[in-house]
Amino acid sequence: DQQVKQNSPSLSVQEGRISILNCDYTNSMFDYFLWYKKYPAEGPTFLISISSIKDKNEDGRFTVFLNKSAKHLSLHIVPSQPGDSAVYFCAARGKNSGYSTLTFGKGTMLLVSP
Amino acid sequence: IAGITQAPTSQILAAGRRMTLRCTQDMRHNAMYWYRQDLGLGLRLIHYSNTAGTTGKGEVPDGYSVSRANTDDFPLTLASAVPSQTSVYFCASSDGQGVNEQFFGPGTRLTVL
Repeated sequence: DQQVKQNSPSLSVQEGRISILNCDYTNSMFDYFLWYKKYPAEGPTFLISISSIKDKNEDGRFTVFLNKSAKHLSLHIVPSQPGDSAVYFCAARGKNSGYSTLTFGKGTMLLVSP
Repeated sequence: IAGITQAPTSQILAAGRRMTLRCTQDMRHNAMYWYRQDLGLGLRLIHYSNTAGTTGKGEVPDGYSVSRANTDDFPLTLASAVPSQTSVYFCASSDGQGVNEQFFGPGTRLTVL
């Protein structure tokens, strides 16, 4: 059973507009949520995170919102740029015998057109 | 700054052959991880190691083994490769502190025929 779900395989947005990527989770024990960005033929790179006790975290053009009651988080990119075109993975941190591991969603491919 | 290196970059392998994917990090991170990425399935954890000398099973460990003899190296071995192990393999590491975000290597593309 998927614990972290990204239900949109792809998203297309025009340059300058807002991109909203969504993620749902089922395990209420996750304590941190992270977003990773992946370009083709490269490894994923960490983008932004949010603690489960927060509802918003902002870093430049990137903002993550967490709705804990709905078990839902979203990544907002404003304004979107063509260089943002990549696959975005949502990940949730859980504990395993006192150590943390990440559970990833399947990813959403974002295409930002000029 | 190297970060995490993986070798080889890509490999074509006959089914039944043994293969070791190498991973080395120079950040002195305690924890290391192996993932596979398949189209439509995202990143799935194969094995992890929280510290040198310890390893644990992830979501999809069958057919794979790992060892962690020292802090820097975390090789992944396929004892007898099968076509379903065709995938892109990513190694990652983290320092175990704070958010504990993971840093990923560039990946190894493995094709098993």
